[in-house]
Amino acid sequence: KQEVTQIPAALSVPEGENLVLNCSFTDSAIYNLQWFRQDPGKGLTSLLLIQSSQREQTSGRLNASLDKSSGRSTLYIAASQPGDSATYLCAVGPYGNNRLAFGKGNQVVVIP
Amino acid sequence: ETGVTQSPTHLIKTRGQQVTLRCSSQSGHNTVSWYQQALGQGPQFIFQYYREEENGRGNFPPRFSGLQFPNYSSELNVNALELDDSALYLCASTPFGGSEQFFGPGTRLTVL
Repeated sequence: KQEVTQIPAALSVPEGENLVLNCSFTDSAIYNLQWFRQDPGKGLTSLLLIQSSQREQTSGRLNASLDKSSGRSTLYIAASQPGDSATYLCAVGPYGNNRLAFGKGNQVVVIP
Repeated sequence: ETGVTQSPTHLIKTRGQQVTLRCSSQSGHNTVSWYQQALGQGPQFIFQYYREEENGRGNFPPRFSGLQFPNYSSELNVNALELDDSALYLCASTPFGGSEQFFGPGTRLTVL
């Protein structure tokens, strides 16, 4: 069974600092990995999708890397802003189906 | 382009009752997945529908059932509600030939 862990569970950073969020997974036989953002009580917004054959994906201030062999992914958010305050969820997808396995999330607060 | 929509937004039921949650997938998407997210946890996969048939199921009892319609919209039905069923229920759709999942805003179910 795939286990996904996100560290740290919660963090606060001053505005302008770079954010580094970590995700680890136990089974490296994944098809893809997705990072999501979730605001309190809301649904999930897809941020980045990395296919298993890729090493990283970038979108604006966001960059996600994937090291499948070591079971790790990192989400970097450059020059954080108060609007980046949210919970960030990592999810891995296996081959053959879209059954995503999620971590518990990194709860981020960016202090103005 | 309309995203994934879910109804209702909030729902309060009592133990033992039955509930139906609805999801309209995004245009051009043919696969629908349902997830349950308890407070402070990551989403847990319930099941997935493809071509109107169940295509994979997580560790949920048979009282959780679903349907997918010819227009790719979907329903989640839960019978004999228990207090632990209180959660945010999320629907996600996947485009034809794709793997990225796009989530709706969720339905908050409270069981008293």
